[in-house]
Amino acid sequence: QKEVEQDPGPLSVPEGAIVSLNCTYSNSAFQYFMWYRQYSRKGPELLMYTYSSGNKEDGRFTAQVDKSSKYISLFIRDSQPSDSATYLCAMSRPLSLSASKIIFGSGTRLSIRP
Amino acid sequence: DTAVSQTPKYLVTQMGNDKSIKCEQNLGHDTMYWYKQDSKKFLKIMFSYNNKELIINETVPNRFSPKSPDKAHLNLHINSLELGDSAVYFCASSGTGMHEQFFGPGTRLTVL
Repeated sequence: QKEVEQDPGPLSVPEGAIVSLNCTYSNSAFQYFMWYRQYSRKGPELLMYTYSSGNKEDGRFTAQVDKSSKYISLFIRDSQPSDSATYLCAMSRPLSLSASKIIFGSGTRLSIRP
Repeated sequence: DTAVSQTPKYLVTQMGNDKSIKCEQNLGHDTMYWYKQDSKKFLKIMFSYNNKELIINETVPNRFSPKSPDKAHLNLHINSLELGDSAVYFCASSGTGMHEQFFGPGTRLTVL
């Protein structure tokens, strides 16, 4: 079983729709939960991160973490064509006092239709 | 100003050759990483250096050797290239918030 599971999609929705992206994980040691966005032929960029369980909102984006279910979500409201990208969930666990390791999901390709 | 830069952007080479990819960051970060992203977009950590010291060394073939001349640079040398090495290689760096990593634009390696 992979440490982090993510549906690869692709997911296609009309402009203005609410998008829900999800990941599950198996390792209870994960502490930080992140969402990275990767445009085609570019490097990933951090969108949002959450420490432990709960919700975090940033504009049209909301990240949710449920540690009891080992499930994280990213919601995008009022989706725009510019949101079309691959979204990678990621989780980090400490290796030592000075090092952490990030495990990435395989990414969900999202397309917003105008 | 580019935060994390990599050269070259594209690399096409024959099987058996040796090649290097260079990475530089101007963010003042202490930790740098190399990732491999395969054709299915799966991003996997290969190495991590903190202040020029190797801290993560995943199960990668010995043909891959990272070198960090200073904390702003982390280069990747690959010996005896194989077809399966074809992928996009990303360099990244992070500061004290290790969960926030800044990625370079990637180097697309094609082995023929």
